[in-house]
Amino acid sequence: NAGVTQTPKFQVLKTGQSMTLQCAQDMNHEYMSWYRQDPGMGLRLIHYSVGAGITDQGEVPNGYNVSRSTTEDFPLRLLSAAPSQTSVYFCASSYSRTQGEKLFFGSGTQLSVL
Amino acid sequence: AQSVTQLGSHVSVSEGALVLLRCNYSSSVPPYLFWYVQYPNQGLQLLLKYTSAATLVKGINGFEAEFKKSETSFHLTKPSAHMSDAAEYFCAVSYYNQGGKLIFGQGTELSVKP
Repeated sequence: NAGVTQTPKFQVLKTGQSMTLQCAQDMNHEYMSWYRQDPGMGLRLIHYSVGAGITDQGEVPNGYNVSRSTTEDFPLRLLSAAPSQTSVYFCASSYSRTQGEKLFFGSGTQLSVL
Repeated sequence: AQSVTQLGSHVSVSEGALVLLRCNYSSSVPPYLFWYVQYPNQGLQLLLKYTSAATLVKGINGFEAEFKKSETSFHLTKPSAHMSDAAEYFCAVSYYNQGGKLIFGQGTELSVKP
């Protein structure tokens, strides 16, 4: 039972490059989300999805795209990386969007943009 | 905007001492409240959650938290700290009128001295 799997664990990009952070869950969870973690700011929601084909913006969506073609996968795309996107990124999922549902987190992707 | 505030970005206690990590939320609408823990280089794990049942909530690893509506607080406590409790702790809230999205506090790093 793998839970939430994120790849890669580490990535270094140059300004302007694009890349995709992968996230997959094997728990048949409806709800998936992406957070970024920055020192002193906690975790901030980037995008989320309540099911295949449905996505919505969170608190800090600019510069990021997502899609949800399957229940299992929720990739995060950086179209043109900027130094301000240097952060640790976490994917999380839960059974549903219902209040009070426990979130399961991946182990994170540490991204540096030079 | 509705938010959650953790008082103290760093807390240091001696092994065996009481752990008290403070969390306040900013809404008159009853929220669901959570404490998550993050060990170094790992994702977040749920410690405990309050979902309008008992106001004193017991979690894993001997932690507990008390919901106090009059003080809009949900402080995390543990009677006796262990070295293995050293980690970063995040308080989080979700509100019915925000579709259940989880809003995180800034985090409190707990250090435990031998």
